[in-house]
Amino acid sequence: AQKITQTQPGMFVQEKEAVTLDCTYDTSDQSYGLFWYKQPSSGEMIFLIYQGSYDEQNATEGRYSLNFQKARKSANLVISASQLGDSAMYFCAMILMNTGFQKLVFGTGTRLLVSP
Amino acid sequence: GAGVSQTPSNKVTEKGKYVELRCDPISGHTALYWYRQSLGQGPEFLIYFQGTGAADDSGLPNDRFFAVRPEGSVSTLKIQRTERGDSAVYLCASSLRGLDEQYFGPGTRLTVT
Repeated sequence: AQKITQTQPGMFVQEKEAVTLDCTYDTSDQSYGLFWYKQPSSGEMIFLIYQGSYDEQNATEGRYSLNFQKARKSANLVISASQLGDSAMYFCAMILMNTGFQKLVFGTGTRLLVSP
Repeated sequence: GAGVSQTPSNKVTEKGKYVELRCDPISGHTALYWYRQSLGQGPEFLIYFQGTGAADDSGLPNDRFFAVRPEGSVSTLKIQRTERGDSAVYLCASSLRGLDEQYFGPGTRLTVT
C-alpha cells in the first residue's frame, strides 16, 4: 500500500525567504502522481502543484516548485519569496494512476508559519 | 463559478444519534469523493462515486457509515448510531471525470458529545 511521510510537524520562515517542506513516499507502483495541497484555517484544501511519476522536469507553479527525486522517493515543496498569506497547513498526497480514479493518500501535514 | 459546497458547516450531535452531511459538487462533475480528517491528521479516503454509483467504498470504517448520490449530483453521507470517535471534519471533493484535479469543499465539522 502507498504511504506518504511528512516529518516536519511545523516550520517557521520569515517573509520573503524561501522554505522547503519535505515529503517522502512509498509505493511499488511505477505510475503515480504527487500533489501538494494548502489548507488554511478555513479548512478548504487548495491544490498547489502536481508531479507525475514519468514527468522528467520538476513541476513549477508560480512561487511553488516541486523538487522531485524519484530514486529517493521524495517530492519536496519549495515556496519562494514567502508571504504572510502562506501561513497554513500543507499536505503532500499521492495517487496511483492505474486505479481508474484519484484516490488521494495524504501525509500528516506540515504547519507553516510565515513571520513579518 | 460556484465551488463545492457542504452543509452544515458545523454539526454537534449526541452519541447514538443519526446524522446526515450534504455535499453539492461543482456542476457537471461526475466524480465525487468523501474524506474524513481527524485532528492533526491528513484527510483519509472514505468513498468515491462515479455518477450515481459508489465505485469504491473501501474507506468507510464500518457499516454505520453509508453514502448516496441518487441523481449523480448531490451526495449525502449518513452516519448511524454516532460515536465520539466519529468526531472529525468531513470533506467532500469533486472532479470532472475522476482522473483529474479534485476540488474540495470547506468541510463539515462533526462533533459527537
